[in-house]
Amino acid sequence: SQELEQSPQSLIVQEGKNLTINCTSSKTLYGLYWYKQKYGEGLIFLMMLQKGGEEKSHEKITAKLDEKKQQSSLHITASQPSHAGIYLCGADDDYKLSFGAGTTVTVRA
Amino acid sequence: DAGVIQSPRHEVTEMGQEVTLRCKPISGHDYLFWYRQTMMRGLELLIYFNNNVPIDDSGMPEDRFSAKMPNASFSTLKIQPSEPRDSAVYFCASSLGGVDTQYFGPGTRLTVL
Repeated sequence: SQELEQSPQSLIVQEGKNLTINCTSSKTLYGLYWYKQKYGEGLIFLMMLQKGGEEKSHEKITAKLDEKKQQSSLHITASQPSHAGIYLCGADDDYKLSFGAGTTVTVRA
Repeated sequence: DAGVIQSPRHEVTEMGQEVTLRCKPISGHDYLFWYRQTMMRGLELLIYFNNNVPIDDSGMPEDRFSAKMPNASFSTLKIQPSEPRDSAVYFCASSLGGVDTQYFGPGTRLTVL
């Protein structure tokens, strides 16, 4: 099955600063999904990437998939308290999603 | 649409008791997934259904776990007998067309004493 490694495990950022989360796979990624989870709640879909070199943005969040399709990054510009939570990457693994361990983001005012 | 609905939101039970978790997927979705989330193991897929038929149950921990989907709008995950190590948050998710964007329910937090 697909194994994903996320880094960092957690990070603390000052409000207004940028942050980047990475997701790395040992296998080619045929579909890479980014989700966000707030404590005690379900996962919320953010973005999905499929093509090498693809980049998508929504509001202040940008996700990229590298050309080799083995690494993805999630970048948040000018972070806000609403960006706090756990970010998980998930990989298309034969009709299933395999998830990374998640990155916990704390935004300090 | 109300999204994926799960019940109960919290369940506290004693070891040995039967536990039933319920899920109502988004109307029209043909795939339904059951996940378990723990600090130690993260988010792991237990089983998924396509058009009410179980496709892959390789993630089900052991025979104490069973899942059913009697119709397109309802699924259950049952644990009998429950054990303390089953304590986790159980999520249900649904999608249209398989691995495509999955919509998650709010989860059921299960505590087995």
